[in-house]
Amino acid sequence: AQSVTQPDIHITVSEGASLELRCNYSYGATPYLFWYVQSPGQGLQLLLKYFSGDTLVQGIKGFEAEFKRSQSSFNLRKPSVHWSDAAEYFCAVGAPEYGNKLVFGAGTILRVKS
Amino acid sequence: NAGVTQTPKFRVLKTGQSMTLLCAQDMNHEYMYWYRQDPGMGLRLIHYSVGEGTTAKGEVPDGYNVSRLKKQNFLLGLESAAPSQTSVYFCASSYGWGADQPQHFGDGTRLSIL
Repeated sequence: AQSVTQPDIHITVSEGASLELRCNYSYGATPYLFWYVQSPGQGLQLLLKYFSGDTLVQGIKGFEAEFKRSQSSFNLRKPSVHWSDAAEYFCAVGAPEYGNKLVFGAGTILRVKS
Repeated sequence: NAGVTQTPKFRVLKTGQSMTLLCAQDMNHEYMYWYRQDPGMGLRLIHYSVGEGTTAKGEVPDGYNVSRLKKQNFLLGLESAAPSQTSVYFCASSYGWGADQPQHFGDGTRLSIL
């Protein structure tokens, strides 16, 4: 079965600084990869997704993620963080043989210092 | 366009009480899901539905029942609430079947069992 690891429970960055959130997955082939963001009191919003092709994918709100097959990673990045980016971020993995079932990581809470 | 709407947003129950959480989507999505979110564990799939009149078990189905009598609605029931069911519950829906189909989430129901 596939699994997802987000090693960092909390990350604090200063406003304007760059950000990288880590995600590692365990799966035999290339899965479908997603990043979701959850603002306080809100549901999950899709930031970006990777299925195939260019390993650097662009998402909404200035986020991007890079798929690295050799490292089984799909790290989320943003060049300059804004205070409104403070939220919880979830990496998720899907695989064709599991149908629509997504496996989520435990999440990373991002705090932004002004 | 409301998307996915969950009611209620908050609820406090006593152990042994029953209740039903309602999820409604207005996107004509065929597939619907119920997740629970617990600290440090990400989202875990409780039950899902691949169409009106159908339901299936997810990763953590025990203690819950579901019904999909209408395409737009997916109900999650707790017959005899237990403190271990204190959690935030999210409903989601997707248009198609497949791991590449993004899921659209509601804002969640925060449920406390005393």
